[in-house]
Amino acid sequence: DQQVKQNSPSLSVQEGRISILNCDYTNSMFDYFLWYKKYPAEGPTFLISISSIKDKNEDGRFTVFLNKSAKHLSLHIVPSQPGDSAVYFCAASAPGGGADGLTFGKGTHLIIQP
Amino acid sequence: KAGVTQTPRYLIKTRGQQVTLSCSPISGHRSVSWYQQTPGQGLQFLFEYFSETQRNKGNFPGRFSGRQFSNSRSEMNVSTLELGDSALYLCASSLGQGAVPLHFGNGTRLTVT
Repeated sequence: DQQVKQNSPSLSVQEGRISILNCDYTNSMFDYFLWYKKYPAEGPTFLISISSIKDKNEDGRFTVFLNKSAKHLSLHIVPSQPGDSAVYFCAASAPGGGADGLTFGKGTHLIIQP
Repeated sequence: KAGVTQTPRYLIKTRGQQVTLSCSPISGHRSVSWYQQTPGQGLQFLFEYFSETQRNKGNFPGRFSGRQFSNSRSEMNVSTLELGDSALYLCASSLGQGAVPLHFGNGTRLTVT
């Protein structure tokens, strides 16, 4: 049973536009959420995170929104750049790290079109 | 500051063999976690080590084991390899037990033939 779901395996966006990546979770114990970016042949790189006590966190072009009642979070990238083309993973953590480490979604492949 | 270093980058083994993967965490990081990434299952948690002790373990058979040394470096061992063990094995480090975010290495690509 997938506790973290990224329902779009891929997303194509034009350069300069906004990219919106979505993530849903089912475990109400999750209290911390992260987004990672992964290029081929490299490990995931931490991008941005949000605690469950917040509903928004910004870092430059990246903003993460959390809707706890809907158990939904999204990552907005504005403006999208060619270097943003990568696989994006949503991850969630229970308090103290939990017994299961980070729980990851299966990723969304973002393609930025020139 | 150097990142997480994993060796080797690529491995080819035969069914039934065993393999040991190595991970050096970021300096100052005391927790090391291991994840398996496969196309079908995504990233799955294997185990976490902190202060040389396994703190948490994912849903993997006992053939998967690990250890952590006093300098926080970690090794992961898979015995009696099966074809389904072919995957990218990722090591991640963090400051303390259960701490986030995790910082990942570039992984070891294991192919079992």
